[in-house]
Amino acid sequence: DIQMTQSPSSLSASVGGRVTIICRASQSIGNYLNWYQQKPGKAPELLIYAATHLESGVPSRFSGSESGTTFTLTINGLHPEDFATYFCQQSYNPPLTFGGGTKVEVK
Amino acid sequence: QVHLEVSGGGVVQPGRSLRLSCAASGFTFSSYGMHWVRQTPDKGLEWMALIWPDGRDTYFADSLKGRISLSRDNAKNTLYLEMKTMRPEDSGLYYCVRSSDQWLYSPGSWGQGTLVTVSS
Repeated sequence: DIQMTQSPSSLSASVGGRVTIICRASQSIGNYLNWYQQKPGKAPELLIYAATHLESGVPSRFSGSESGTTFTLTINGLHPEDFATYFCQQSYNPPLTFGGGTKVEVK
Repeated sequence: QVHLEVSGGGVVQPGRSLRLSCAASGFTFSSYGMHWVRQTPDKGLEWMALIWPDGRDTYFADSLKGRISLSRDNAKNTLYLEMKTMRPEDSGLYYCVRSSDQWLYSPGSWGQGTLVTVSS
């Protein structure tokens, strides 16, 4: 199975600040990488697909990038509604696997 | 608007079976793959299974193979999951998820999930 290692597991940031979350795949997955946002008591929502493409309706302050087997989610200019938990997921091949999640908290 | 309503959750005794149904609306059900994903405090988000739009093919998590089965009734817009020999560690929130518009293997639109507790 492809392992997805996400870091950090949590971080503190300020409104207006910049956040970077890393996800590493245990083998090549091309650009088959999704990012999800989950707020407390809610289901995850797809933010970014194919490593860099924003899902419809997702603000442009969110961006994704890739370099080999390392993928990055960046949030530029944190809004209050962005404090949530973020997960990566490889959609290259079943069994599909998720990263462990990154909780973004208010500093 | 995609709507996925899961039923069949609740308390299940250890060793018994779980059967979940997911009623879909707001999209052409027969055109999309469907996933089950669960979330537990111990393992976080865990992908469980995927069924093809026409139901002819299925994929399962290695850890669950032999214990789960997946089916769908496209005439009724309903997805089914059956899981045998439930264990306490199977307790968690079970989500029914539609594949994204872009790729079958991407869980795209999530239902609200149903809580399953395995306890005597």
